[in-house]
Amino acid sequence: KNEVEQSPQNLTAQEGEFITINCSYSVGISALHWLQQHPGGGIVSLFMLSSGKKKHGRLIATINIQEKHSSLHITASHPRDSAVYICAVDSFGNEKLTFGTGTRLTIIP
Amino acid sequence: KAGVTQTPRYLIKTRGQQVTLSCSPISGHRSVSWYQQTPGQGLQFLFEYFSETQRNKGNFPGRFSGRQFSNSRSEMNVSTLELGDSALYLCASSLTTGTTAAFFGQGTRLTVV
Repeated sequence: KNEVEQSPQNLTAQEGEFITINCSYSVGISALHWLQQHPGGGIVSLFMLSSGKKKHGRLIATINIQEKHSSLHITASHPRDSAVYICAVDSFGNEKLTFGTGTRLTIIP
Repeated sequence: KAGVTQTPRYLIKTRGQQVTLSCSPISGHRSVSWYQQTPGQGLQFLFEYFSETQRNKGNFPGRFSGRQFSNSRSEMNVSTLELGDSALYLCASSLTTGTTAAFFGQGTRLTVV
């Protein structure tokens, strides 16, 4: 079993829909990261969370430490949100990121 | 403030050759981590450097090595290239080691033929 599991693996939605991507992890963590990767490879760090909730524009990330679960939400989705979204965790004593396999999001106009 | 810069962006090498990739972190950042991304294995941690010292290493063979210079720039080297080394190599910089925000470069896409 992977330490970091994401669901769904692939998600296709219509423009304007509310999107939720989930991440579950099995280890104790000091922080969780949400990353966005567009075709071509470059990765952008969206959020780093250790508790609660963060919001940036149309993106919202939440984390429940007790349940070892995080969600990334996108409101009013747009075709430019199409990308792979990757969850990564900083586990205690590890000092390196462990990644989920990513969720490929496609927003159709 | 300039972002993380990786060079070159694309590279084609033949089996058995060696390759050196470069990563310039954000100014003031002292930690540089390297990752390999392949379709089959996803993103995997290679190693982390902080203040010119390797702090952590992933499960990769000794053909993969790296170093960090006094200006925090980092290089990674892969010797005796194999077809399976074809991947996107990403580096990320952070202010310090441990739990801090990581900023990623655009990556170097290496193709081994």
